[in-house]
Amino acid sequence: KQEVTQIPAALSVPEGENLVLNCSFTDSAIYNLQWFRQDPGKGLTSLLLIQSSQREQTSGRLNASLDKSSGRSTLYIAASQPGDSATYLCLTGGGNKLTFGTGTQLKVEL
Amino acid sequence: SAVISQKPSRDICQRGTSLTIQCQVDSQVTMMFWYRQQPGQSLTLIATANQGSEATYESGFVIDKFPISRPNLTFSTLTVSNMSPEDSSIYLCSAKKGVYSGPTNEQFFGPGTRLTVL
Repeated sequence: KQEVTQIPAALSVPEGENLVLNCSFTDSAIYNLQWFRQDPGKGLTSLLLIQSSQREQTSGRLNASLDKSSGRSTLYIAASQPGDSATYLCLTGGGNKLTFGTGTQLKVEL
Repeated sequence: SAVISQKPSRDICQRGTSLTIQCQVDSQVTMMFWYRQQPGQSLTLIATANQGSEATYESGFVIDKFPISRPNLTFSTLTVSNMSPEDSSIYLCSAKKGVYSGPTNEQFFGPGTRLTVL
């Protein structure tokens, strides 16, 4: 059974800081890994999708990497802003058996 | 991409009643799913909604409690039956557009339905 853990569970940083969120998974037989953000009381917004054959994906200030052999993905956020405050979730697995990570609650302060 | 809407966005219900949540996608999708997010928790897959046939339920979820319909490629409903306070959660609809569950197949989510059971 796939287990997906995100560290840290919560993070508070000052505006402008570069930061890294981690996602670890136990079963490396994955098709892809997707990062989402969830704002309080809202649904999920897809940020980046990394295919299993890829090593990283970039979108604006976001960069996600994937290392299947070590069962890890990282989400790098450059020059963080208060608007980045949200819960970040990773989703991964094979086929339709996808598992969400435990989430990282990020707060970027002025 | 796919834009997913859900109705209602939130509801407060009495114990023992049932609530049906509707999910509408703006384009045809191959796969539709229902997730539950309990307070302070991550998301858990309830079931895969199959068009024209019974949904596929994950361990711990049963059809009598969470009946699901999917009459076509853009619409699905989830009913939470005989509710108790433990059913208070956010329920999210999700969809994939690709034919196969391959590496490029991105998953999209609706805004969720926040359910409170008194």
